[in-house]
Amino acid sequence: ILNVEQSPQSLHVQEGDSTNFTCSFPSSNFYALHWYRWETAKSPEALFVMTLNGDEKKKGRISATLNTKEGYSYLYIKGSQPEDSATYLCAFETGTASKLTFGTGTRLQVTL
Amino acid sequence: ETGVTQTPRHLVMGMTNKKSLKCEQHLGHNAMYWYKQSAKKPLELMFVYNFKEQTENNSVPSRFSPECPNSSHLFLHLHTLQPEDSALYLCASSQDLAGEQFFGPGTRLTVL
Repeated sequence: ILNVEQSPQSLHVQEGDSTNFTCSFPSSNFYALHWYRWETAKSPEALFVMTLNGDEKKKGRISATLNTKEGYSYLYIKGSQPEDSATYLCAFETGTASKLTFGTGTRLQVTL
Repeated sequence: ETGVTQTPRHLVMGMTNKKSLKCEQHLGHNAMYWYKQSAKKPLELMFVYNFKEQTENNSVPSRFSPECPNSSHLFLHLHTLQPEDSALYLCASSQDLAGEQFFGPGTRLTVL
């Protein structure tokens, strides 16, 4: 059984704050780490697919880093806006199973 | 948002009913997936289809019966469900078995 953990479970920040969340995953048999953004009543939307140790990806104010040797990834949001309010999911993909194992997500709420 | 569609968006059924969930993808993908999300649990993979053939059944009870008539359509037939089957059922597709998955908005199922 693969264990993917995300912390914190929920987060409440003010507009303009910068924030980050953590995804921990097994350090063996790594193939890729996926980040998704999931707004209420909408489809989960892919943010990043990360495959290389030390990889850093950026999309606007959101960026992510990856450490496959120690089994963690960080997602950063700079200058949070109310529209960033969503649940952020990470998913671990192994080299053998070709399927995604998800964490329970970090629920972010950004208020004015 | 229209890449992967799911109908219905909400469904209430009794334990003796038979109903079906439908998923359609307009992305030209070859692989399709059913996931279940129960309250406060991570997304759980149920079934995987690749080129219409089932490649994964994640120990799902037989009261859930998937059907994939072609690469664009995926159904989940429901029969004699239990109240604990109430959950959000998400469909996803990907170009191949590995890599980024694109999700539908889900069907919120309530079993009375």
